[in-house]
Amino acid sequence: SAVISQKPSRDICQRGTSLTIQCQVDSQVTMMFWYRQQPGQSLTLIATANQGSEATYESGFVIDKFPISRPNLTFSTLTVSNMSPEDSSIYLCSVESSGRVDEQFFGPGTRLTVL
Amino acid sequence: GEDVEQSLFLSVREGDSSVINCTYTDSSSTYLYWYKQEPGAGLQLLTYIFSNMDMKQDQRLTVLLNKKDKHLSLRIADTQTGDSAIYFCAVQSGGYNKLIFGAGTRLAVHP
Repeated sequence: SAVISQKPSRDICQRGTSLTIQCQVDSQVTMMFWYRQQPGQSLTLIATANQGSEATYESGFVIDKFPISRPNLTFSTLTVSNMSPEDSSIYLCSVESSGRVDEQFFGPGTRLTVL
Repeated sequence: GEDVEQSLFLSVREGDSSVINCTYTDSSSTYLYWYKQEPGAGLQLLTYIFSNMDMKQDQRLTVLLNKKDKHLSLRIADTQTGDSAIYFCAVQSGGYNKLIFGAGTRLAVHP
C-alpha cells in the first residue's frame, strides 16, 4: 500500500487568509484526489489531480477557491483561499495505488479551523 | 448523481457479529469499498469487492454484494472494542476512481 503524508496535520487560520496543504506519497502515482470532510459529515471529492494537466473539479468547487498543483508523480498541494469559517473541515488527499485500480488510499488528513 | 446510503449508528455487544449495511444507486460501479475511520484519524481501507463478486472474506471481515438490489454489507465477526469506529461505504463512480461515500455508520462496541 502507498504511504501518504500530509502537512500540516492541523491549523487554525484567520478569516480571509489562505492555507496550502501538502500531500507527499512514497511512490509514484498517476492519480491523486483531494477530499473534504466537514464536521460530522462524510467525504466529498473536491478535485482530481493528474501530473501534467489541469486539475478536474467537482460540481460546487472552483479553481479560484481551491487551486491545486501537481508538479510530479509523488506530490500535490491544495490551497484553500480566502477562507471563511465554512471552510473548517478535514482535508484529505488520496491516491490510486499505481497499477491497481481497485485500491485507493488516504492520507491522515489536515484538520483546518477557520476563525 | 450517485447516492450512497448507510444507517448512522450500530451498537453491538463485544464478541457478537456486527453487520453494517449500505445501498447505492449507480449500477455501473465497478468497485465498492469499506473504510474505517477511528477518532481523530484518517481513513483506513478495510476491504473492497469487485462488482462481479457476491462475497469476499478476509479474516473477520465478510463483504456481501447483492448487485440486483444494489446492497452492500460488511460483517465483522467476533466484534472487539477496537472495532469501535465510523465505517464508510464508498462506491466507484464516473468511470475512474472517483469515490462516492456514504454518511458513515458509527459502530459502538460495549462489554
